Amino acid sequence: QSALTQPASVSGSPGQSITISCTGTSSDVGRYNYVSWYQQHPGKAPKLMIYEVSNRPSGVSNRFSGSKSDNTASLTISGLQDEDEADYYCSTYTSSSSVVFGGGTKLTVL
Amino acid sequence: QVQLVQSGAEVKKPGASVKVSCKASGYTFTTYGISWVRQAPGQGLEWLGWISASNGVTNYAQNLQGRVTMTTDTSTSTAYMELTSLRSDDTAVYYCARAFSSGWYAYWGQGTLVTVSS
Repeated sequence: QSALTQPASVSGSPGQSITISCTGTSSDVGRYNYVSWYQQHPGKAPKLMIYEVSNRPSGVSNRFSGSKSDNTASLTISGLQDEDEADYYCSTYTSSSSVVFGGGTKLTVL
Repeated sequence: QVQLVQSGAEVKKPGASVKVSCKASGYTFTTYGISWVRQAPGQGLEWLGWISASNGVTNYAQNLQGRVTMTTDTSTSTAYMELTSLRSDDTAVYYCARAFSSGWYAYWGQGTLVTVSS
């Protein structure tokens, strides 16, 4: 199972909005509404930000939103804040009952 | 509150085995599965597999088939991940995570660093 494709890095200024893409195939991202997004700060465990494409867990800011079109999912962060600077990973359930992650995107807040 | 507490860091020689534990609390252990995910230094997340805490059914990543074994002990609400024939590229932080059926992880352990070095 190949990793999902994410941009290596994105950046934005405080207050701006950014979008991170996550491209898979018709056997994973395109087949299921089971895309998740995780935020990871250095030295910390990943934190769930979005599950099942667009659902936010309790306690996650509504500045974070998710969507999907065909084989590509997206995470949008609006009103960028300094604490949003982190690595972001997408993942999805696959047709082989496994989970595959994206390669990760480093978000820099300028 | 839900907690997953993992065992401590390990240093192993190539060819050896390692067994990492993950003790769950704050929920009914058999209600959810446990997945294991690793992260090599400076690299991304890699899914290793999943085990049902209710019946022990497993699903392993294809590239680790034959080297990884996941088990649970429901009497102590603990999950285990054993990796054999260790190589230098197995050096990573290993995480356990509580698995929802559609493959997302709301709760993670703190991570266990496994270093493979001669």
